Amino acid sequence: DAGVTQTPRHEVAEKGQTIILKCEPVSGHNDLFWYRQTKIQGLELLSYFRSKSLMEDGGAFKDRFKAEMLNSSFSTLKIQPTEPKDSAVYLCASSGGNTGQLYFGEGSKLTVL
Amino acid sequence: QQQVRQSSQSLTVWEGETAILNCSYENSAFDYFPWYQQFPGEGPALLIAIRSVSDKKEDGRFTIFFNKREKNLSLHIKDSQPGDSATYFCAASPYQGGRALIFGTGTTVSVSP
Repeated sequence: DAGVTQTPRHEVAEKGQTIILKCEPVSGHNDLFWYRQTKIQGLELLSYFRSKSLMEDGGAFKDRFKAEMLNSSFSTLKIQPTEPKDSAVYLCASSGGNTGQLYFGEGSKLTVL
Repeated sequence: QQQVRQSSQSLTVWEGETAILNCSYENSAFDYFPWYQQFPGEGPALLIAIRSVSDKKEDGRFTIFFNKREKNLSLHIKDSQPGDSATYFCAASPYQGGRALIFGTGTTVSVSP
């Protein structure tokens, strides 16, 4: 079975650019999460979708970060415009049923110059 | 403010020793407490989890001890192996499904042979 797939694995952007990160969840999973990972803050929630509906978003990330679920098997995270402080690993995870177990992708490492 | 706190950023133990990782939380409504393990270049993966109705959960060499009154928990890695070298995240949510997990900042464990 395919796990969570994230693309690209690495992205380098200039300050002010728009970048789009992509995620394909585990087939059949209804819950999808975007987290940002840094050494200092650990994992911070960006967005949580259940059956394509936005359930939670990280309040601190609302202005330049927008996650969407285009269909049940594909999600994007757009950062517009990028800033150097956005340099981090962006993790996508999905979950099925009510087990609560998250299955993470390998992450997209973003570097903003 | 960090709702889930991990007291150590890093921990080094010798092979065969017991590694103890500590975690505390603020929200009394938290009910589900998983620990995730992450190796470099990979996404986190569920290691072991406990509900607040229990005070101990064991899975092989990994044990969670939970203290609801003190709002803290710990992960014990018995007979540590070099393969256990990884970053461990404590997380919490109000219930097992339906809400996003809130993660701590992680503890990086190094096991020396």
